Amino acid sequence: IAGITQAPTSQILAAGRRMTLRCTQDMRHNAMYWYRQDLGLGLRLIHYSNTAGTTGKGEVPDGYSVSRANTDDFPLTLASAVPSQTSVYFCASSDSTGSINEQFFGPGTRLTVL
Amino acid sequence: LAKTTQPISMDSYEGQEVNITCSHNNIATNDYITWYQQFPSQGPRFIIQGYKTKVTNEVASLFIPADRKSSTLSLPRVSLSDTAVYYCLVGPLLWAGNMLTFGGGTRLMVKP
Repeated sequence: IAGITQAPTSQILAAGRRMTLRCTQDMRHNAMYWYRQDLGLGLRLIHYSNTAGTTGKGEVPDGYSVSRANTDDFPLTLASAVPSQTSVYFCASSDSTGSINEQFFGPGTRLTVL
Repeated sequence: LAKTTQPISMDSYEGQEVNITCSHNNIATNDYITWYQQFPSQGPRFIIQGYKTKVTNEVASLFIPADRKSSTLSLPRVSLSDTAVYYCLVGPLLWAGNMLTFGGGTRLMVKP
């Protein structure tokens, strides 16, 4: 069982380029999330999806877009990357129909925008 | 969402019990208290969740007083591998479309 996977592991990107971070889960979780974590700080929610076909904005959505075409995949797109988007990006999923606020996190993607 | 306050960092030694306290004075009736652990270069991992009194699992215990304005995560007999950042999160259950909010966390350093 893979759980939740992210790709790429790391990426160096020129400013202005378009980039899609991939996230796939095999736990059939209804909810998926994207967070960014900057050095020494906590995680900030970018976008989320409570079910396939629906998405919502988190705390820091500007400059990012997501889609949720099916249950398993939740890609995050940077349409035109800027240096302030240099960060570690974590994808997470949860079965948010229960009584436990447990999110499962992927290994992260380290993105550097130059 | 209730604001949480927890120490920025703590030091301990192997074999000791570590208690990390989180203050959440504005906790709402339908809020739960959840703790996550994050190792360097990894995503956070769920440790424990509680609503009131005491909850214990194989990893930790969570103590919540009657007024629920604070909570204490207790890690028994820590080892070097418990060095991590610990996040206290307070909010309603995810099933209602709610989100988790991660603050700065407490950076625990376990020394030999």
